[in-house]
Amino acid sequence: AQSVTQLGSHVSVSEGALVLLRCNYSSSVPPYLFWYVQYPNQGLQLLLKYTSAATLVKGINGFEAEFKKSETSFHLTKPSAHMSDAAEYFCAVIPTGSGGSNYKLTFGKGTLLTVNP
Amino acid sequence: DTEVTQTPKHLVMGMTNKKSLKCEQHMGHRAMYWYKQKAKKPPELMFVYSYEKLSINESVPSRFSPECPNSSLLNLHLHALQPEDSALYLCASSQDQRGQPTKGYTFGSGTRLTVV
Repeated sequence: AQSVTQLGSHVSVSEGALVLLRCNYSSSVPPYLFWYVQYPNQGLQLLLKYTSAATLVKGINGFEAEFKKSETSFHLTKPSAHMSDAAEYFCAVIPTGSGGSNYKLTFGKGTLLTVNP
Repeated sequence: DTEVTQTPKHLVMGMTNKKSLKCEQHMGHRAMYWYKQKAKKPPELMFVYSYEKLSINESVPSRFSPECPNSSLLNLHLHALQPEDSALYLCASSQDQRGQPTKGYTFGSGTRLTVV
């Protein structure tokens, strides 16, 4: 089954610094890829998605991600971190080409982002 | 309306109780999902409903019983749960599971369940 691997369970940055959260997928056929954010005691909010239309995807709150087939990666970045960005971030995948009931959204293990003042 | 609404937000139940979680969406989505999320873990898929029919059961114990009364509602009936079932239960919906899943899933804010 297709999966995603998030490198680093915890990333800590200073306010104003670059945010880089890593995600790699495991398949020869590029899947649909998503980044979700979860604030404490809340549900998940979609940040952005890759669905083969464009390799550089812009999302909400200043986040963007670049799909790189050669590296099987879909890393999430933000040029300047804000305190309000502190949250858990999940990379997720839906496999392509499977059809029907195999369209299951599966999550990576998550990366906790802390932002220091 | 672009939301998935879950009730209740918090629930404490004993191991002999019967309770239900409710999920509602009015976005015209025809696929709905239940996920379970333990602390500091990613959400794990439990059930998928497509066009009001159960299409995926991820080997969930029978003490969890899903129900989809109509295209807008999804329930999760709970009976004889164990303390290890304590978790955040998330409901989600998507446009159509049979089509291209290009818009992702919309999640509710979850029900925090504690089994005592």
